[in-house]
Amino acid sequence: SQTIHQWPATLVQPVGSPLSLECTVEGTSNPNLYWYRQAAGRGLQLLFYSVGIGQISSEVPQNLSASRPQDRQFILSSKKLLLSDSGFYLCAWTRDRGLEAFFGQGTRLTVV
Amino acid sequence: DQQVKQNSPSLSVQEGRISILNCDYTNSMFDYFLWYKKYPAEGPTFLISISSIKDKNEDGRFTVFLNKSAKHLSLHIVPSQPGDSAVYFCAALNFGNEKLTFGTGTRLTIIP
Repeated sequence: SQTIHQWPATLVQPVGSPLSLECTVEGTSNPNLYWYRQAAGRGLQLLFYSVGIGQISSEVPQNLSASRPQDRQFILSSKKLLLSDSGFYLCAWTRDRGLEAFFGQGTRLTVV
Repeated sequence: DQQVKQNSPSLSVQEGRISILNCDYTNSMFDYFLWYKKYPAEGPTFLISISSIKDKNEDGRFTVFLNKSAKHLSLHIVPSQPGDSAVYFCAALNFGNEKLTFGTGTRLTIIP
């Protein structure tokens, strides 16, 4: 069966520090991978999505970047965190042209 | 540019009555629409979907209606139960780029 792992579950980081959130998928190959952020009043905002290794589409200009070094690994990064980067980050993968989406448990990031 | 919008951030409904959640979209190229349910600190889980060529899909207590001319869809839950209390997101899918775009969410509270 397919599973998605996302860690850490919670993270408190000072302003200006780097960030690395990791997401891995098991039990499938060549998944589409997504990073979303849930913020008050903005719903689930799509940050990045990837249809293959090294292929990253960025949806909004921001202080974050994403990389896909392996087929089932998706990493969300920042060189210097801002207060506005605080939020709940969700990794997801999809199959069947996106009709089925599976989400990780999320990471609550607090930038202080 | 919010392509999928849920104009009601919150909704309270008496247990046993009908809950109606609404969603509007701007992109006429979406192929499928989906509803997800989300509890705090968890990833969203899939509820029900509808193809853009249909106008209604029913699954147990959940029914989704699509009005393409108005670019509007709604989720009906009847009868509403306390376990239905959660945040509900509508989402739209474009098969061309397999991108899943979420709305802003509606927090549904079922009053016992």
